[in-house]
Amino acid sequence: DIQMTQSPSSLSASEGDRVTITCRASQSIGSYLNWYQQKPGKAPKLLIYAAFALQSGVPSRFSGSGSGTDFTLTISSLQPEDFATYYCQQGYSTPDTFGPGTKVDIK
Amino acid sequence: QVDLVESGGGVVQPGRSLRLSCAASGFSFSNYPMHWVRQAPGKGLEWVAVVSYDGTSKYYADSVKGRFTISRDNSKNTLYLQMNSLRGDDAAVYHCAREGRFTSRAFDVWGQGTMVTVSS
Repeated sequence: DIQMTQSPSSLSASEGDRVTITCRASQSIGSYLNWYQQKPGKAPKLLIYAAFALQSGVPSRFSGSGSGTDFTLTISSLQPEDFATYYCQQGYSTPDTFGPGTKVDIK
Repeated sequence: QVDLVESGGGVVQPGRSLRLSCAASGFSFSNYPMHWVRQAPGKGLEWVAVVSYDGTSKYYADSVKGRFTISRDNSKNTLYLQMNSLRGDDAAVYHCAREGRFTSRAFDVWGQGTMVTVSS
């Protein structure tokens, strides 16, 4: 199985900050990498698919990059509604696997 | 609008069974592969199982293989998860999710989830 890691596991940031979250796969997954946002008590929401494609309706302050084993999710200017947990997921091979998550909270 | 609604969760004793359902609406259910993803309390997301659009192909996480069965009834726009021999570590919120039309196998629609508690 492909293992996914994320760093940091949590971070504190202020409104307006630029935030970067890293995801690493245990083997090359090409661009088969997706990012989700989850708020407490809610279902995950797809933000980015295929490493860098913005899902319809997602604000342009979210962006994704990377390929192979190393990927990044960037929030260019953090907004109050962005405080949440973010997960990466590889869709390269079954079983699909998620990263452990990165919790973004208010500094 | 596009929606997924899970049901069937509850409290069950270890070793017993439970069947979850996921009712789909607002899209052509029979055109999409469907997944179950679970989240234990305070933990991250764990993929559980997938079924192809026509129900002929199914894959499972090792943690549930041989105990859980995923199925679908396209005439009823409904996805199922039959869970047998339940264990304490199966306790979680179970979400159904649609695999969207992306090369990267992203899940673009999620249900709110149904809670499964395993306790004697």
